[in-house]
Amino acid sequence: SQQGEEDPQALSIQEGENATMNCSYKTSINNLQWYRQNSGRGLVHLILIRSNEREKHSGRLRVTLDTSKKSSSLLITASRAADTASYFCATDALNNAGNMLTFGGGTRLMVKP
Amino acid sequence: EPEVTQTPSHQVTQMGQEVILRCVPISNHLYFYWYRQILGQKVEFLVSFYNNEISEKSEIFDDQFSVERPDGSNFTLKIRSTKLEDSAMYFCASSDRNGREQYFGPGTRLTVT
Repeated sequence: SQQGEEDPQALSIQEGENATMNCSYKTSINNLQWYRQNSGRGLVHLILIRSNEREKHSGRLRVTLDTSKKSSSLLITASRAADTASYFCATDALNNAGNMLTFGGGTRLMVKP
Repeated sequence: EPEVTQTPSHQVTQMGQEVILRCVPISNHLYFYWYRQILGQKVEFLVSFYNNEISEKSEIFDDQFSVERPDGSNFTLKIRSTKLEDSAMYFCASSDRNGREQYFGPGTRLTVT
């Protein structure tokens, strides 16, 4: 798979359930960032986790990072219909001179009311 | 909360024409970026800009493209001699002196006919 690949590609859950999205990458990284994108709109920064961190929380979001497996997960707890969006991971590779982010293909999350 | 802004929100142009996409990054940020997202595809890095020069660019960013920071607030992407395949959403982003979290604007949808 390419740098920053999410799975599943699509996820449909009921409101109140938890949603877990996974991301895998290939190269060593400085950090990994998660973004949300509503259909046809801009990218909203959710959370950044550094390569020396294993877990990070922000409100209903929990992100984990396993650098040995080159993978990350984003957990959204107690989901709401408003969480319906596409979620992308983006990696900032080690020795990256220009802070270039490499995005995955995203997970399309649908939360049914 | 400070935001990255972009104008116009939608630009329609004829093949062969030149377009300039404009961005106002967050005011105290030092790093600026352009990305694009072709419909249904991944977000792709184009270029990063720091200290009034390009710090990194992708293979996509060829001689057809150029960036400029004409004053203390604007950051522009110029696309010369547009092609049909340049049709995409173009996102501007900026980050602070640490260069970590990148905050994206709402995007400019470019349609080349």
